[in-house]
Amino acid sequence: GNSVTQMEGPVTLSEEAFLTINCTYTATGYPSLFWYVQYPGEGLQLLLKATKADDKGSNKGFEATYRKETTSFHLEKGSVQVSDSAVYFCALRKAAGNKLTFGGGTRVLVKP
Amino acid sequence: DTAVSQTPKYLVTQMGNDKSIKCEQNLGHDTMYWYKQDSKKFLKIMFSYNNKELIINETVPNRFSPKSPDKAHLNLHINSLELGDSAVYFCASSPYERSLLNTEAFFGQGTRLTVV
Repeated sequence: GNSVTQMEGPVTLSEEAFLTINCTYTATGYPSLFWYVQYPGEGLQLLLKATKADDKGSNKGFEATYRKETTSFHLEKGSVQVSDSAVYFCALRKAAGNKLTFGGGTRVLVKP
Repeated sequence: DTAVSQTPKYLVTQMGNDKSIKCEQNLGHDTMYWYKQDSKKFLKIMFSYNNKELIINETVPNRFSPKSPDKAHLNLHINSLELGDSAVYFCASSPYERSLLNTEAFFGQGTRLTVV
């Protein structure tokens, strides 16, 4: 079956540090890949997405590249802010309207 | 306007009670979902409906019964609540057009259910 594995947190960083959250997936074919973010006390929001190999998704300074050869979709940001403190979820979808399969989530805490 | 709205936001109830959580989306999407997020933040699909028809039913106890009166609504009814049902339940929706493989799901704000 499909699965998503992401690094366990929490990840604690200082402001302006570089952030990387690893995500790898197992799926047949060519799934679409997503990063969602959940700020404290809120629901999930889409952060970025990519639908085919070598696509790069980007938003709010975050980037992730769809790597078919390593089945990975690592999330990066060059300079984090306190407001980036949240739980980040990597997810995949095999077909339109199909369910999202989520990784376990990575809690990120950015300290001033 | 809120795209996916759930009510209530918080629900505290005693074991053995029956409760419902309502979900509505105004995005015109064909597909709606219920996800459960446990205390460790792990998210798992429970149900998915497409145009009022059940298409995904993961291994969820039959005390949980989704109901979709129309494609804009997907309510979750839970019978005989147990302590282990305490979690945050998220409703979501997405389009079903096969050509739009990169469409994301839109999530509600969540309902925090606490069973005491």
